Amino acid sequence: QTVVTQEPSFSVSPGGTVTLTCGLSSGSVSTGHYPTWYQQPPGQAPRTLIFTTNTRSSGVPDRFSGSILGNKAALTITGAQADDDSDYYCVLYMGSGAYVFGNGTKVTVL
Amino acid sequence: QVQLVESGGGVVQPGGSLRLSCAVSGFTFSRYAMYWVRQAPGKGPEWVAVISFDGYSKHYGDSVKGRFTISRDNSKKTLFLQMTSLRVEDTAVYYCTRVVSGYHYFDFWGQGTLVTVSS
Repeated sequence: QTVVTQEPSFSVSPGGTVTLTCGLSSGSVSTGHYPTWYQQPPGQAPRTLIFTTNTRSSGVPDRFSGSILGNKAALTITGAQADDDSDYYCVLYMGSGAYVFGNGTKVTVL
Repeated sequence: QVQLVESGGGVVQPGGSLRLSCAVSGFTFSRYAMYWVRQAPGKGPEWVAVISFDGYSKHYGDSVKGRFTISRDNSKKTLFLQMTSLRVEDTAVYYCTRVVSGYHYFDFWGQGTLVTVSS
């Protein structure tokens, strides 16, 4: 069974930079997995931040960026703001219509 | 604007059934494959089922295969999820989502409907 790994939590100071990662229990993440990043405030539906590894969704501030770092997908927040305090999920496309989501990273800005 | 509105959630006993609906507006429903994605309390989302734009192709996650059925009515712009033999572990918020073919991501989500399976 494929498992997508994410750090459980991160803390970042306002104005600071944090990089979240998204890995696979076996193997490497590549652009062929079409990594997508979602932000989910409490009690709300997920909001798309980044798709196809590094494309920002419409209206997403440019302090959010996506990349492949080594064998993982990564989401970097540069110049964190208070309203970035949220849960972040990555999801990978596994082919044949199947997706696997990570368990999310809780980012605290303080 | 694109809107997806789920309904039909509620409390059901283990072994029971429930039918979820998702009414969409703001885009040409018949051109898009659609997904149901669920999220158990405190967990990451999990894809449940997908249906092709024309309804002919359907696929299911391993945890619901044989128990859930996805369908759609393009004339009424509505997506459905028939859930049977429900288990406690099916408790989750169920989201209706639109997938962007070729880019393989969910661009729009509904607000979700809560399904609670409990005796």
